[in-house]
Parts: sequence; C-alpha cells; structure tokens
Amino acid sequence: GAVVSQHPSWVICKSGTSVKIECRSLDFQATTMFWYRQFPKQSLMLMATSNEGSKATYEQGVEKDKFLINHASLTLSTLTVTSAHPEDSSFYICSASGRTGGYNEQFFGPGTRLTVL
Amino acid sequence: AQRVTQPEKLLSVFKGAPVELKCNYSYSGSPELFWYVQYSRQRLQLLLRHISRESIKGFTADLNKGETSFHLKKPFAQEEDSAMYYCALRSGGGADGLTFGKGTHLIIQP
Repeated sequence: GAVVSQHPSWVICKSGTSVKIECRSLDFQATTMFWYRQFPKQSLMLMATSNEGSKATYEQGVEKDKFLINHASLTLSTLTVTSAHPEDSSFYICSASGRTGGYNEQFFGPGTRLTVL
Repeated sequence: AQRVTQPEKLLSVFKGAPVELKCNYSYSGSPELFWYVQYSRQRLQLLLRHISRESIKGFTADLNKGETSFHLKKPFAQEEDSAMYYCALRSGGGADGLTFGKGTHLIIQP
C-alpha cells in the first residue's frame, strides 16, 4: 500500500522559534497533500490543501503567515510553524492523495507532535 | 458549512455482540462518506467508503441520504475491533480535504 512518512515524529521548541515538518509520499506521487491538526482528545481539523507547484489553500481561520506550506515536488510537502507559541502545541498530521482501485484516497502520515515551551 | 456528527465518544460492547457506530452529516451537495479507523499507536487508515459499498473486516455502512446518516455496523464484534473510529465527509471530486467527526472510541470487552 501507499506509505506516507512525516519527520520529525515529535519536536519540542522554544516560544518564538520556527519549526519545519516534512511530509513525504514514499512510493507514489501525490499531486495533492493535506495538513490536519488534532488537539488532545479531539478530531482532526483540516488546515490547508497543498498542491504541487502552487500556493496552498488555507481553511477559514488558519493563518497562512503562521503556517507556511511548501509543496515543491510530487513527493514532499513541508509545514513550517513560524514564531511558534504554546497555543500552537498540537499533533500535526499530513495526508497525500493517491488513487487506489479507481478512487482518490488519502493516505495518512503518522503525525508530528509539536510542543512549544 | 459541512459537518459530521458522531454522538458517542465511547462505545463499549461485549465480544460477539452487534456494533453500531453512529454518524450523521450535514452537507448541501452530494458528499462522499468514509469511515477511518485508528488502532492503538497506529496511523489513521481507511476502513471503507460509501461509494464502493464494500464490507471490510465484517463492517458495513450504508449511506442514508434521507436521514443524512452513514452508520457503521458489524454483526459480531471481535476484540481486535477495539480502536478509534472516525466518520469523514468529502465534497465530490476527490480533490478536497476531509471533514471529520469527533470520533468514537470502541472498546470490545472479552
């Protein structure tokens, strides 16, 4: 099956610093990747849709200058949390869109836990 | 705005008993509905999608447009079914992100 990886799996940073999270599709090309955020004991919330070679589309209420997304290749998308603050602490999950059995399916990464001190 | 509601945070049933995880949605168009499962310490994975009308691991789900529901059912629960289950909606076309419900934690007791 299609595999999506994320790096790092967890990161701790100081308030005010920036953190970059990578999302890679390992064995398929993904024109579209998605970034979700999950607060403790809550559901996944779509943050943005990332299309290769173009600007990301952000969901309402998500600050695009705060969460910078780059999708430079068909196998890599990055999310940079700029000037991180404790309220940015969360679990960030990416997914990559691929086709299986004739359907578009999202394959999820394992997630990255960000803790901002 | 689209919305997915899973009314039960936690559902506990005995092994061999029937299981039904409820999901209701709100969407003005024709959505695609999915069930995702997350086993302990594993990533989210697709369980089934309404459009393929399949049965996976004994689970089925029927889209009821009149009741705007997509409940997940299994006639005989197994211990390995214990997991977190998320109902999700996507607008048609396949290029959009998913809107998730809050999830139901299913516990199968021996």
